[in-house]
Amino acid sequence: GQNIDQPTEMTATEGAIVQINCTYQTSGFNGLFWYQQHAGEAPTFLSYNVLDGLEEKGRFSSFLSRSKGYSYLLLKELQMKDSASYLCAVRGVGNTPLVFGKGTRLSVIA
Amino acid sequence: GAVVSQHPSRVICKSGTSVKIECRSLDFQATTMFWYRQFPKQSLMLMATSNEGSKATYEQGVEKDKFLINHASLTLSTLTVTSAHPEDSSFYICSARDSTSGFSYNEQFFGPGTRLTVL
Repeated sequence: GQNIDQPTEMTATEGAIVQINCTYQTSGFNGLFWYQQHAGEAPTFLSYNVLDGLEEKGRFSSFLSRSKGYSYLLLKELQMKDSASYLCAVRGVGNTPLVFGKGTRLSVIA
Repeated sequence: GAVVSQHPSRVICKSGTSVKIECRSLDFQATTMFWYRQFPKQSLMLMATSNEGSKATYEQGVEKDKFLINHASLTLSTLTVTSAHPEDSSFYICSARDSTSGFSYNEQFFGPGTRLTVL
């Protein structure tokens, strides 16, 4: 089975940096994804990690430690539009679907 | 990136009626499509995996006779909610994987979702 945990809610200030953690336990692992989802919309892809280390993409970075079953998403220079839910998802081996965590609702305040 | 469309985007129906939701991969072939359901302030829950030309695989607790899935072509999968009831009101999202693409991580692409409200 698979178990994915992430905080339910976080609040951060505009212009600041926020780190959203995700821990997972899976029977097979073939990559970890982060998605952003605004209310009433479909998730949009942010990042993918399959090897240990940090992947940087503009204001967003994602880190993975496979031995620890741990990932984080780092958002820099926060903007009001970054207020959304951030979903951690793990893919198992083979043609298996993504399994999502419950998501972290981030509120960016002025 | 690849595009997945869903139709309709919103639907309101009376209790007892059936509703069909279409999911299309517009610029790629998808041998596998996934159907998710999302209740307010909750995460995406996988309902079923749809493989082109074969029967869908349903997750535990999802009634296959209530949620009929058809994946008749490499670009179209449909989800029919039969005899819908108010508790079926939810946000339904399909996702498709381009198994022939050069993406190293074989990304899942998501449709824009369908908001179903059953009165």
